[in-house]
Amino acid sequence: DAGITQSPRHKVTETGTPVTLRCHQTENHRYMYWYRQDPGHGLRLIHYSYGVKDTDKGEVSDGYSVSRSKTEDFLLTLESATSSQTSVYFCAISLGGGPYGYTFGSGTRLTVV
Amino acid sequence: SQQGEEDPQALSIQEGENATMNCSYKTSINNLQWYRQNSGRGLVHLILIRSNEREKHSGRLRVTLDTSKKSSSLLITASRAADTASYFCATDAIEYGNKLVFGAGTILRVKS
Repeated sequence: DAGITQSPRHKVTETGTPVTLRCHQTENHRYMYWYRQDPGHGLRLIHYSYGVKDTDKGEVSDGYSVSRSKTEDFLLTLESATSSQTSVYFCAISLGGGPYGYTFGSGTRLTVV
Repeated sequence: SQQGEEDPQALSIQEGENATMNCSYKTSINNLQWYRQNSGRGLVHLILIRSNEREKHSGRLRVTLDTSKKSSSLLITASRAADTASYFCATDAIEYGNKLVFGAGTILRVKS
């Protein structure tokens, strides 16, 4: 999607290893979000950021951490990957949060074996 | 817990027919948004309707909002095979802070 890219697109990792997913935007939007998508659950919010170094937890934050040192980059880290973290991860950006539409990245499919 | 729930979970129609999807939510909202997701892709924003609006149109899309019933509907008229996708409603509610909460989605299949 224009203005937002996620990397990597696919990753297979072993249980217990740390994993970092990257979200990069060129839109200069203030808000950035990490969601995970699992069958039957829709999208669930992991963490979000409302500015550089300003982050907060979402609904399913356990086992995840985030960092935002620059406006354009929002990193999601799985500190010690577990099989329950096998999922598709989406990053989204928004000009001003809930009152505005979100723009989503293409997703990262993560498999923990 | 899910703020929004879509109904039906899956819908299969013939090309040219209309498709209606419904969304119910639990708390007072500022706005409600609909998104489409094609297989293997990210979500795409379709339309936003504010709490003081009752109906909104965008091309072949018509969205209604009934805040007294805490429900919304998305109507796609004259459907096309390219409309085959999952559709999600998302709510912006004061209770949930400045972030959207998504439902589980409706899978729409349009047969040609």
